[in-house]
Amino acid sequence: QKEVEQDPGPLSVPEGAIVSLNCTYSNSAFQYFMWYRQYSRKGPELLMYTYSSGNKEDGRFTAQVDKSSKYISLFIRDSQPSDSATYLCALEQGAQKLVFGQGTRLTINP
Amino acid sequence: NAGVTQTPKFQVLKTGQSMTLQCAQDMNHEYMSWYRQDPGMGLRLIHYSVGAGITDQGEVPNGYNVSRSTTEDFPLRLLSAAPSQTSVYFCASSYSMSGVVYEQYFGPGTRLTVT
Repeated sequence: QKEVEQDPGPLSVPEGAIVSLNCTYSNSAFQYFMWYRQYSRKGPELLMYTYSSGNKEDGRFTAQVDKSSKYISLFIRDSQPSDSATYLCALEQGAQKLVFGQGTRLTINP
Repeated sequence: NAGVTQTPKFQVLKTGQSMTLQCAQDMNHEYMSWYRQDPGMGLRLIHYSVGAGITDQGEVPNGYNVSRSTTEDFPLRLLSAAPSQTSVYFCASSYSMSGVVYEQYFGPGTRLTVT
C-alpha cells in the first residue's frame, strides 16, 4: 500500500464549477500537508500549505485536513480554464522528506 | 533571482552511458533534492541534501549518485543508464528549520530518454 493515495483522474469539469481533489494517507506521523500545482511541461509550484486539521482559505482555493480520517482535500471555487493543471498533494513528517501523491490531472472546459 | 536552474532540458542516452544532470540555486537554501516523475507515479525522491557535504538516500536511489560540495550546486549522476531511468527529473530547493522542510522550489525539469 502506498503511503499517499491520490486519484490520477483525469478530471474534466465546466468553467465555474466547484472542484474537489482528494488524497488519503496511511502514516499518522505526517504533520505537514501541501498542495502543488504543475502546468504541462513545468515544475510543480506550491499552492497551499497547512499544518493542523481544519480549513485554510486562499482566494478561490480551500485546503482541508482531517487527521482523524487521514484525508486531505483541495477545493477550487469558480474554476477557470487557467486552473487546468495537475494537482499533487505532498505530505511531510518532519523528517525532511516529502511524499507526493500520484497527481490528479484537471481540465476546466470553457 | 534565477531560482532553481537545471541543465540540460532534454537528453537522450544509450544504455550503459553515464551522465550528470546539473542543478543550481541562488536562494541560499540549505535543503536540495532530486525527484523523478513517471506517469501515474507522482514525484519520487531519489536523493536529498540538508547542506554542503551532507547527502542521503530517498525512495529510489539505485543507479544514481549525488554530491554537494557547495550550497548552490547539487548534481545528479547516472552511473550506467538503463531504459528504466527514462523519466523527467526535477531538482528542488528549500529552506528547512527544526527538521521540517518548507516550500520547495522546483526547477523546470530534465527530460531523459534512455534507449
